[in-house]
Amino acid sequence: ETGVTQTPRHLVMGMTNKKSLKCEQHLGHNAMYWYKQSAKKPLELMFVYNFKEQTENNSVPSRFSPECPNSSHLFLHLHTLQPEDSALYLCASSQGWEGGDREQYFGPGTRLTVT
Amino acid sequence: GENVEQHPSTLSVQEGDSAVIKCTYSDSASNYFPWYKQELGKGPQLIIDIRSNVGEKKDQRIAVTLNKTAKHFSLHITETQPEDSAVYFCAALGTGGFKTIFGAGTRLFVKA
Repeated sequence: ETGVTQTPRHLVMGMTNKKSLKCEQHLGHNAMYWYKQSAKKPLELMFVYNFKEQTENNSVPSRFSPECPNSSHLFLHLHTLQPEDSALYLCASSQGWEGGDREQYFGPGTRLTVT
Repeated sequence: GENVEQHPSTLSVQEGDSAVIKCTYSDSASNYFPWYKQELGKGPQLIIDIRSNVGEKKDQRIAVTLNKTAKHFSLHITETQPEDSAVYFCAALGTGGFKTIFGAGTRLFVKA
């Protein structure tokens, strides 16, 4: 148990559906991240929020829309996805971005399948 | 752009042997190098990290070495055990900012 929870763990959705992924961290961290993990590819950073403000958007298509209402919660809203968006979506958190604060704690991920 | 290359992609060793995974990074400003272990059905978990002002760090059976001149860093696992079987990722971070660049991962099999 890393202190980062993600729901749902598995999600199957059609290309016309709208769904949301949820992440919650119980570590008192200030930064939260969304990553995409596809088979045989490096983890791809999607978004970073620090103190609820978005600090990184790694050229992610607009069909992915993040929301960070507070430092403990992070959402990823999904709409009109493509089959190539099927992947494991990982949430992570860290205390900050300097020195030892950069250690990231990952959740178990949401396995997304787009049909 | 920045990238991290990781080798090998798959590594199979006999229980008790050592395993070495190597990474090369491109951004000379990188100064923090974590290693993560990912088991099936779980997210990556940090197992060891090293900062640019240190050349080597050990934690029981795990060690990491860093060669800043060559921009190489390596993970060494000694006396491997079946429970070490997992996917291992290296990563590099630069000064300031949150952007972490990950290697593609090494799938380690430890045969009993």
